[in-house]
Amino acid sequence: DVKVTQSSRYLVKRTGEKVFLECVQDMDHENMFWYRQDPGLGLRLIYFSYDVKMKEKGDIPEGYSVSREKKERFSLILESASTNQTSMYLCATGRSRMNTEAFFGQGTRLTVV
Amino acid sequence: GNSVTQMEGPVTLSEEAFLTINCTYTATGYPSLFWYVQYPGEGLQLLLKATKADDKGSNKGFEATYRKETTSFHLEKGSVQVSDSAVYFCALSGSSNTGKLIFGQGTTLQVKP
Repeated sequence: DVKVTQSSRYLVKRTGEKVFLECVQDMDHENMFWYRQDPGLGLRLIYFSYDVKMKEKGDIPEGYSVSREKKERFSLILESASTNQTSMYLCATGRSRMNTEAFFGQGTRLTVV
Repeated sequence: GNSVTQMEGPVTLSEEAFLTINCTYTATGYPSLFWYVQYPGEGLQLLLKATKADDKGSNKGFEATYRKETTSFHLEKGSVQVSDSAVYFCALSGSSNTGKLIFGQGTTLQVKP
């Protein structure tokens, strides 16, 4: 079975903190994605990666960065958390650029106070 | 650019009622189309997909047909159950082989006994 694991289900952080969200996959997929989900806005792509040490900006990268040092792990970093980054964060993987079916983790609900 | 529009929710139905959730898209080229479902407290999971015009995707009693002439991919089920209560997302892949998905805003379905 495909497994995408996000390190936390719920997080509460203070404004200005540096926040790390971790995602690990066990399917040897090339692609990994970070989305945020907000009511009425659906899912919006923050960053994605096609390979180790490669990253590309999505639609809303401001205030975020990512790291992919190993194929199975994709980290989302909030350099200085702000209240408008309170959201549900979803990690997803895909086999390759040619295959667009995505597999999702269970999500991390982040609250910035 | 590419985009997906879903009917606004929430949709509230009685058990065994007929379900339709409308989805229309704007895209260049020939995207693949998807429906994802998100049960409470979980990440998204693929419900069904269609990769070319006139294809019908189906799973768990749900169906959707890729209509290029109307740029639509409406989700239908003949008889809903309480367990179908969830958020449903329509999505498309770009035809540029990036592996990225573009999501609609999601439609919440509540089925009452």
